[in-house]
Amino acid sequence: KQEVTQIPAALSVPEGENLVLNCSFTDSAIYNLQWFRQDPGKGLTSLLLIQSSQREQTSGRLNASLDKSSGRSTLYIAASQPGDSATYLCAVIRGNNRLAFGKGNQVVVIP
Amino acid sequence: NAGVTQTPKFRVLKTGQSMTLLCAQDMNHEYMYWYRQDPGMGLRLIHYSVGEGTTAKGEVPDGYNVSRLKKQNFLLGLESAAPSQTSVYFCASRDPSQGLASPLHFGNGTRLTVT
Repeated sequence: KQEVTQIPAALSVPEGENLVLNCSFTDSAIYNLQWFRQDPGKGLTSLLLIQSSQREQTSGRLNASLDKSSGRSTLYIAASQPGDSATYLCAVIRGNNRLAFGKGNQVVVIP
Repeated sequence: NAGVTQTPKFRVLKTGQSMTLLCAQDMNHEYMYWYRQDPGMGLRLIHYSVGEGTTAKGEVPDGYNVSRLKKQNFLLGLESAAPSQTSVYFCASRDPSQGLASPLHFGNGTRLTVT
């Protein structure tokens, strides 16, 4: 069974610092990995998707890397802002069309 | 383009009552999913469908039934609601024709309380 772990579960950073969020998975046979943002009481918004053949994806201040061999993905958010406060989830899609989610990194950016 | 729409947004049920949650997507996606999200448990897959007329069980299917009579709709039913089914329910869809570049699209959720 695919296990997805996100560490740390919660973190607070002062505005302007870079955020580093980690996602690890136990089975490297994945199709792709997707990072989401979830605001309190809201649904999940897709941030970045990394295909299994890729090593990273970038969108604005966000950069996500993927190392399949070690079962890890990292989401970097540069120059954090209070508006980045949210929960960030990663999900891996496997060959049987099943997705496995981590429990999320809850982020607070302090003005 | 509305994406994935879930109705209702909120619902309170008494134990033993039944209800149906509706998920509709206008992106012509083949794959649709129902998840529940609980504090400390993350997102867990209830049922999913890989096409019209097909459904399959996920991790936590007990107490739920689903139907996919039309490609754009995926219904989640609770026949006899229990307090353990108090949760936030999310529907998602995906287009497998995009292969590895196929992201998951989520609805905004249905918050269900069973008393």
